[in-house]
Amino acid sequence: AQKVTQAQTEISVVEKEDVTLDCVYETRDTTYYLFWYKQPPSGELVFLIRRNSFDEQNEISGRYSWNFQKSTSSFNFTITASQVVDSAVYFCALSDPAKAGTASKLTFGTGTRLQVTL
Amino acid sequence: DAGITQSPRHKVTETGTPVTLRCHQTENHRYMYWYRQDPGHGLRLIHYSYGVKDTDKGEVSDGYSVSRSKTEDFLLTLESATSSQTSVYFCAISESDRVGYEQYFGPGTRLTVT
Repeated sequence: AQKVTQAQTEISVVEKEDVTLDCVYETRDTTYYLFWYKQPPSGELVFLIRRNSFDEQNEISGRYSWNFQKSTSSFNFTITASQVVDSAVYFCALSDPAKAGTASKLTFGTGTRLQVTL
Repeated sequence: DAGITQSPRHKVTETGTPVTLRCHQTENHRYMYWYRQDPGHGLRLIHYSYGVKDTDKGEVSDGYSVSRSKTEDFLLTLESATSSQTSVYFCAISESDRVGYEQYFGPGTRLTVT
């Protein structure tokens, strides 16, 4: 069975601090993808990034960076120089391969609420 | 932004009444999903569809049914609503069934069962 654990329920930081959101996953599949989604206070879910199981290269996008380590089954998300607009709930998710003729599904973690204050 | 709408956006209903939530997409994507979001649980999959009239159960399907008579619409029905079904419901779509394709989410429907 697939499982995603986001042990940090809530994190509070002051603006300009760096913050890392942890994500640990469990799967028996050799091919899988990991995702991060952002849910701002307005409630919509915004796709941020996906990473496949064969690519352990870190990725950076502006102030966002992701560290994928297969050896520890982790896919952590770092925000550098956090801003108030980063305040949101962040979800990590794991895909499973689709059974033939059906659809790939996502297993989500319980989310980490990030509060950035001035 | 992916063209996904959900209706209604908010609904309050009484225990025992039937409720239908609608998800409508303009992207012509084959794959559609219904999730519920509850504090402490993240998002959990209720049902999904991999084509017109092709649906399957997710992790928390008890008490829910779905129908998809055309590509653009995916309906979620609570046959007899219970207070435990008070939640925020999200619809999602995906372009492909291949692992790795992201899902795009609708704005959500907040359902309260009194």
